[in-house]
Amino acid sequence: DVLMTQTPVSLPVSLGGQVSISCRSSQSLVHSDGNTYLHWYLQKPGQSPQLLIYRVSNRFSGVPDRFSGSGSGTDFTLKISRVEPEDLGVYYCLQSTHFPWTFGGGTKLELK
Amino acid sequence: EVKLLESGGGLVQPGGSMRLSCAASGFTFTDFYMNWIRQPAGKAPEWLGFIRNKANGYTTEYNPSVKGRFTISRDNTQNMLYLQMNTLRAEDTATYYCARLQWYYFDYWGQGVMVTVSS
Repeated sequence: DVLMTQTPVSLPVSLGGQVSISCRSSQSLVHSDGNTYLHWYLQKPGQSPQLLIYRVSNRFSGVPDRFSGSGSGTDFTLKISRVEPEDLGVYYCLQSTHFPWTFGGGTKLELK
Repeated sequence: EVKLLESGGGLVQPGGSMRLSCAASGFTFTDFYMNWIRQPAGKAPEWLGFIRNKANGYTTEYNPSVKGRFTISRDNTQNMLYLQMNTLRAEDTATYYCARLQWYYFDYWGQGVMVTVSS
Protein backbone atom coordinates (compact mmCIF):
# COMPACT_ATOMS: atom_id res chain seq x y z
CA ASP A 1 0.00 0.00 0.00
CA VAL A 2 1.08 3.59 -0.61
CA LEU A 3 2.03 5.17 2.70
CA MET A 4 0.93 8.78 3.07
CA THR A 5 2.90 10.69 5.70
CA GLN A 6 1.54 14.02 6.89
CA THR A 7 3.51 16.53 8.91
CA PRO A 8 3.13 18.01 11.35
CA VAL A 9 0.66 15.95 13.34
CA SER A 10 -0.43 19.02 15.31
CA LEU A 11 -0.27 22.60 14.08
CA PRO A 12 -0.99 25.50 16.45
CA VAL A 13 -2.01 28.66 14.65
CA SER A 14 -3.15 32.17 15.42
CA LEU A 15 -6.24 33.49 13.70
CA GLY A 16 -5.21 35.44 10.64
CA GLY A 17 -1.98 33.52 10.32
CA GLN A 18 -0.65 31.30 7.56
CA VAL A 19 0.21 27.61 7.77
CA SER A 20 1.47 24.79 5.56
CA ILE A 21 0.78 21.07 5.82
CA SER A 22 3.01 18.53 4.13
CA CYS A 23 1.92 15.20 2.65
CA ARG A 24 4.52 12.80 1.31
CA SER A 25 3.81 9.51 -0.43
CA SER A 26 5.93 6.38 -0.45
CA GLN A 27 5.76 6.26 -4.25
CA SER A 28 4.98 8.62 -7.06
CA LEU A 29 1.32 9.57 -7.39
CA VAL A 30 1.49 10.18 -11.11
CA HIS A 31 -1.11 7.90 -12.65
CA SER A 32 -0.57 6.07 -15.94
CA ASP A 33 -3.05 8.54 -17.45
CA GLY A 34 -0.72 11.42 -16.56
CA ASN A 35 -2.86 12.86 -13.78
CA THR A 36 -1.86 13.06 -10.12
CA TYR A 37 -4.64 11.97 -7.82
CA LEU A 38 -3.81 13.71 -4.57
CA HIS A 39 -6.61 15.42 -2.70
CA TRP A 40 -7.13 17.30 0.57
CA TYR A 41 -9.97 17.09 3.07
CA LEU A 42 -10.91 18.90 6.25
CA GLN A 43 -12.81 17.14 9.00
CA LYS A 44 -14.38 19.48 11.51
CA PRO A 45 -15.30 18.10 14.93
CA GLY A 46 -18.31 15.80 14.76
CA GLN A 47 -18.58 16.08 10.98
CA SER A 48 -17.67 13.95 7.99
CA PRO A 49 -14.65 14.97 5.93
CA GLN A 50 -15.25 17.69 3.37
CA LEU A 51 -13.35 18.11 0.11
CA LEU A 52 -11.09 21.13 -0.15
CA ILE A 53 -8.64 20.46 -2.99
CA TYR A 54 -8.71 17.81 -5.70
CA ARG A 55 -5.95 16.67 -8.04
CA VAL A 56 -3.23 18.59 -6.20
CA SER A 57 -4.30 22.17 -6.78
CA ASN A 58 -7.97 22.49 -7.76
CA ARG A 59 -10.27 24.10 -5.21
CA PHE A 60 -13.64 22.40 -4.81
CA SER A 61 -16.80 24.42 -5.26
CA GLY A 62 -17.27 26.98 -2.48
CA VAL A 63 -13.77 26.59 -1.01
CA PRO A 64 -12.22 30.01 -0.39
CA ASP A 65 -9.04 31.01 -2.19
CA ARG A 66 -7.27 31.11 1.18
CA PHE A 67 -6.71 27.41 0.54
CA SER A 68 -4.14 26.38 -2.03
CA GLY A 69 -2.51 23.10 -2.96
CA SER A 70 0.74 22.38 -4.71
CA GLY A 71 3.30 19.69 -5.30
CA SER A 72 4.21 16.85 -7.60
CA GLY A 73 5.44 13.28 -7.60
CA THR A 74 5.68 12.34 -3.93
CA ASP A 75 5.70 15.71 -2.20
CA PHE A 76 2.61 17.84 -1.70
CA THR A 77 1.61 20.89 0.35
CA LEU A 78 -1.60 22.48 1.49
CA LYS A 79 -1.34 26.16 2.41
CA ILE A 80 -3.92 28.09 4.36
CA SER A 81 -3.63 31.83 4.58
CA ARG A 82 -5.53 34.21 6.85
CA VAL A 83 -6.74 31.32 9.04
CA GLU A 84 -10.31 31.69 10.26
CA PRO A 85 -12.09 29.86 13.11
CA GLU A 86 -13.98 27.63 10.67
CA ASP A 87 -10.66 26.29 9.34
CA LEU A 88 -9.92 24.44 12.58
CA GLY A 89 -10.08 20.67 12.51
CA VAL A 90 -8.14 17.74 11.10
CA TYR A 91 -6.75 17.83 7.58
CA TYR A 92 -6.21 14.65 5.57
CA CYS A 93 -4.55 14.00 2.25
CA LEU A 94 -5.82 11.16 0.09
CA GLN A 95 -4.15 9.39 -2.82
CA SER A 96 -6.34 7.66 -5.39
CA THR A 97 -3.65 6.80 -7.92
CA HIS A 98 -2.77 3.36 -6.59
CA PHE A 99 -5.08 0.71 -5.16
CA PRO A 100 -5.88 0.53 -2.34
CA TRP A 101 -6.50 4.25 -2.01
CA THR A 102 -4.98 5.57 1.18
CA PHE A 103 -5.28 8.58 3.47
CA GLY A 104 -2.60 10.38 5.41
CA GLY A 105 -2.62 10.19 9.19
CA GLY A 106 -4.01 13.69 9.60
CA THR A 107 -2.86 17.11 10.77
CA LYS A 108 -4.81 18.81 13.52
CA LEU A 109 -5.05 22.55 13.09
CA GLU A 110 -5.75 24.19 16.44
CA LEU A 111 -5.53 27.57 18.07
CA LYS A 112 -2.36 28.61 19.83
CA GLU B 1 -28.76 19.06 -3.55
CA VAL B 2 -26.68 15.89 -3.18
CA LYS B 3 -27.62 13.92 -0.08
CA LEU B 4 -26.25 10.66 1.28
CA LEU B 5 -27.79 9.10 4.37
CA GLU B 6 -26.37 5.98 5.99
CA SER B 7 -28.32 3.63 8.23
CA GLY B 8 -28.13 0.19 9.77
CA GLY B 9 -25.30 0.55 12.27
CA GLY B 10 -25.22 -0.53 15.87
CA LEU B 11 -23.75 -3.18 18.13
CA VAL B 12 -22.84 -6.61 16.78
CA GLN B 13 -20.99 -9.52 18.32
CA PRO B 14 -17.62 -10.68 17.01
CA GLY B 15 -18.14 -13.11 14.17
CA GLY B 16 -21.51 -11.61 13.36
CA SER B 17 -22.83 -9.88 10.26
CA MET B 18 -24.34 -6.50 9.53
CA ARG B 19 -25.64 -4.69 6.47
CA LEU B 20 -25.31 -0.94 6.11
CA SER B 21 -27.43 1.10 3.75
CA CYS B 22 -26.91 4.47 2.12
CA ALA B 23 -29.80 6.38 0.59
CA ALA B 24 -28.73 8.71 -2.20
CA SER B 25 -30.64 11.66 -3.64
CA GLY B 26 -30.10 14.83 -5.60
CA PHE B 27 -28.14 13.31 -8.48
CA THR B 28 -28.37 10.63 -11.15
CA PHE B 29 -27.31 7.67 -9.05
CA THR B 30 -26.42 5.35 -11.92
CA ASP B 31 -23.89 7.84 -13.30
CA PHE B 32 -21.57 7.59 -10.33
CA TYR B 33 -19.17 5.20 -8.66
CA MET B 34 -20.16 4.85 -5.00
CA ASN B 35 -17.78 4.15 -2.13
CA TRP B 36 -17.63 2.99 1.45
CA ILE B 37 -15.06 4.48 3.78
CA ARG B 38 -14.64 3.85 7.50
CA GLN B 39 -12.97 5.73 10.29
CA PRO B 40 -12.14 4.35 13.74
CA ALA B 41 -12.52 6.93 16.49
CA GLY B 42 -9.57 9.31 16.52
CA LYS B 43 -7.91 7.74 13.48
CA ALA B 44 -7.62 8.44 9.78
CA PRO B 45 -10.24 7.23 7.32
CA GLU B 46 -9.76 3.97 5.44
CA TRP B 47 -11.18 3.41 1.96
CA LEU B 48 -13.01 0.09 1.81
CA GLY B 49 -14.08 -0.14 -1.80
CA PHE B 50 -16.39 1.05 -4.53
CA ILE B 51 -19.00 -0.10 -6.96
CA ARG B 52 -18.75 1.33 -10.45
CA ASN B 53 -21.45 3.12 -12.40
CA LYS B 54 -23.79 1.84 -15.10
CA ALA B 55 -21.34 2.66 -17.88
CA ASN B 56 -18.78 0.42 -16.22
CA GLY B 57 -21.06 -2.46 -15.44
CA TYR B 58 -21.49 -1.93 -11.68
CA THR B 59 -18.34 -3.93 -10.97
CA THR B 60 -16.57 -3.65 -7.64
CA GLU B 61 -13.13 -2.94 -6.26
CA TYR B 62 -12.10 -3.62 -2.66
CA ASN B 63 -9.35 -2.82 -0.25
CA PRO B 64 -7.52 -6.11 0.42
CA SER B 65 -8.01 -5.44 4.13
CA VAL B 66 -11.71 -6.32 3.78
CA LYS B 67 -11.89 -8.27 0.54
CA GLY B 68 -13.73 -11.54 0.99
CA ARG B 69 -15.55 -10.36 4.14
CA PHE B 70 -17.25 -7.20 2.88
CA THR B 71 -19.50 -6.89 -0.19
CA ILE B 72 -20.66 -3.66 -1.82
CA SER B 73 -23.87 -3.66 -3.83
CA ARG B 74 -26.43 -1.19 -5.10
CA ASP B 75 -30.12 -1.05 -5.94
CA ASN B 76 -30.38 1.45 -8.75
CA THR B 77 -34.18 1.40 -8.74
CA GLN B 78 -34.17 2.70 -5.15
CA ASN B 79 -30.98 4.78 -5.31
CA MET B 80 -29.53 2.68 -2.49
CA LEU B 81 -25.99 1.59 -1.74
CA TYR B 82 -25.22 -1.31 0.57
CA LEU B 83 -22.31 -2.72 2.52
CA GLN B 84 -22.65 -6.31 3.68
CA MET B 85 -20.12 -7.07 6.42
CA ASN B 86 -19.47 -10.64 7.54
CA THR B 87 -17.25 -12.28 10.15
CA LEU B 88 -16.94 -8.98 11.98
CA ARG B 89 -13.99 -8.34 14.29
CA ALA B 90 -13.35 -5.84 17.04
CA GLU B 91 -11.08 -3.91 14.67
CA ASP B 92 -14.04 -3.29 12.36
CA THR B 93 -15.44 -0.92 15.00
CA ALA B 94 -15.67 2.47 13.29
CA THR B 95 -17.89 5.11 11.77
CA TYR B 96 -18.82 4.03 8.25
CA TYR B 97 -19.40 6.57 5.50
CA CYS B 98 -20.74 6.28 2.00
CA ALA B 99 -19.28 8.73 -0.48
CA ARG B 100 -19.78 9.63 -4.10
CA LEU B 101 -16.80 9.43 -6.41
CA GLN B 102 -16.16 12.23 -8.88
CA TRP B 103 -13.13 11.61 -11.08
CA TYR B 104 -11.02 9.81 -8.47
CA TYR B 105 -12.01 11.99 -5.49
CA PHE B 106 -14.86 11.79 -2.99
CA ASP B 107 -16.90 14.93 -3.46
CA TYR B 108 -19.84 14.19 -1.15
CA TRP B 109 -19.95 12.12 2.02
CA GLY B 110 -22.81 10.97 4.20
CA GLN B 111 -22.94 11.86 7.88
CA GLY B 112 -21.74 8.38 8.85
CA VAL B 113 -23.11 5.49 10.90
CA MET B 114 -21.40 3.85 13.86
CA VAL B 115 -20.66 0.16 14.01
CA THR B 116 -19.44 -1.40 17.25
CA VAL B 117 -18.19 -4.97 17.30
CA SER B 118 -18.14 -6.22 20.86
CA SER B 119 -19.41 -9.04 23.03
